[in-house]
Amino acid sequence: EIVMTQSPATLSVSPGERATLSCRASQSVSSNLAWYQQKPGQAPRLLIYGASTRATGIPARFSGSGSGTEFTLTISSLQSEDFAVYYCQQYNNWPALTFGGGTKVEIK
Amino acid sequence: EVQLVESGGGLVQPGGSLRLSCAASGFTFSSYWMSWVRQAPGKGLEWVANIKQDGSEKYYVDSVKGRFTISRDNAKNSLYLQMNSLRAEDTAVYYCARVAYDILTGYFIDYWGQGTLVTVSS
Repeated sequence: EIVMTQSPATLSVSPGERATLSCRASQSVSSNLAWYQQKPGQAPRLLIYGASTRATGIPARFSGSGSGTEFTLTISSLQSEDFAVYYCQQYNNWPALTFGGGTKVEIK
Repeated sequence: EVQLVESGGGLVQPGGSLRLSCAASGFTFSSYWMSWVRQAPGKGLEWVANIKQDGSEKYYVDSVKGRFTISRDNAKNSLYLQMNSLRAEDTAVYYCARVAYDILTGYFIDYWGQGTLVTVSS
């Protein structure tokens, strides 16, 4: 099983600042990585797939990078609606999918 | 607009059974792999099961193998999850999800329903 580890668990950021979230895989997942955003009481929403491709309708302030075992989600200038929990997920091991534990982005 | 609407959750005793349903609309249901993903209260996301477009292939996380069965009815645009021998640790919100395919990177979840809560407790 591929284990996905996200850090930090909680990130405190002021509106307008940059947020950098990390995701590490226990073995290479190539570029087969997605990022999701989840707000309280809501379903997750796809942000990024293929490690760096923004999903339809996702603002350009969200960007993904990395390959192999190290990945980053960057939110260039945090807006009020971006405070949420973010999950990475590998699908290199399809049909088995594994998620990271999540990073909560909170208002500083 | 893609819509996935789950139903069938509720309170069930340990050892009991429950059948979840997911009604899909806004896309050609029979053309997509589908998944169930769950989230225990206050916890992260856990993939549960996948099913191929025609139902010929099904895959499960180890913790539910032999207890849960994923199925679909393409004529009714519906996805199901039959859950037997339920345990307290199965308590979670269960999400129905659509799986997209990208020629460069493969299969990934692109749309999620709002979820249905399953509580296993005596």
